[in-house]
Amino acid sequence: DTGVSQDPRHKITKRGQNVTFRCDPISEHNRLYWYRQTLGQGPEFLTYFQNEAQLEKSRLLSDRFSAERPKGSFSTLEIQRTEQGDSAMYLCASSLNDRGTFGSGTRLTVV
Amino acid sequence: GIQVEQSPPDLILQEGANSTLRCNFSDSVNNLQWFHQNPWGQLINLFYIPSGTKQNGRLSATTVATERYSLLYISSSQTTDSGVYFCALSGTGNQFYFGTGTSLTVIP
Repeated sequence: DTGVSQDPRHKITKRGQNVTFRCDPISEHNRLYWYRQTLGQGPEFLTYFQNEAQLEKSRLLSDRFSAERPKGSFSTLEIQRTEQGDSAMYLCASSLNDRGTFGSGTRLTVV
Repeated sequence: GIQVEQSPPDLILQEGANSTLRCNFSDSVNNLQWFHQNPWGQLINLFYIPSGTKQNGRLSATTVATERYSLLYISSSQTTDSGVYFCALSGTGNQFYFGTGTSLTVIP
């Protein structure tokens, strides 16, 4: 197992377009998290899954954002009608117990 | 949510020096972790330490939950220790709150 994988590593999109990111967690991890990190800040929590159930969502997750984990394995994060303020690093983490393992992130630039 | 404050915000060390990074938090926590974010952006989990003291090589961490702070000690620093150090914690929920980090630069 090579850890948490995120795809793509970088995404440049025009304002108003939709984007989708994928996260493949460590295979035996039942917990999966999405975070967003902007320059100079710590990661901010977006949402949490336990298996396929989305159990927590941050107020940061506006109605333009949707996340899924359909079979309790990989997860997708979709942003509709992107705005320049969505430009950030989107991080995925997974855990089995209390220690989280992060992926390398997807850097989104909205132009 | 839980407020997390880290200090100092920036730190420059000569290689071989020791340092202490501090994390203060506003509420009781069930889970506290320290992470290192390297210059390429990868977050590496250093410690899971909701209470007590742990050591891993040149790094050690102590959390005094009753006084709502945690410390990360780096001894004999190396240039590869450069990056940003975050503490992250959660209370009763599953949401983790990150501090704004301590940016460490180790110069040879």
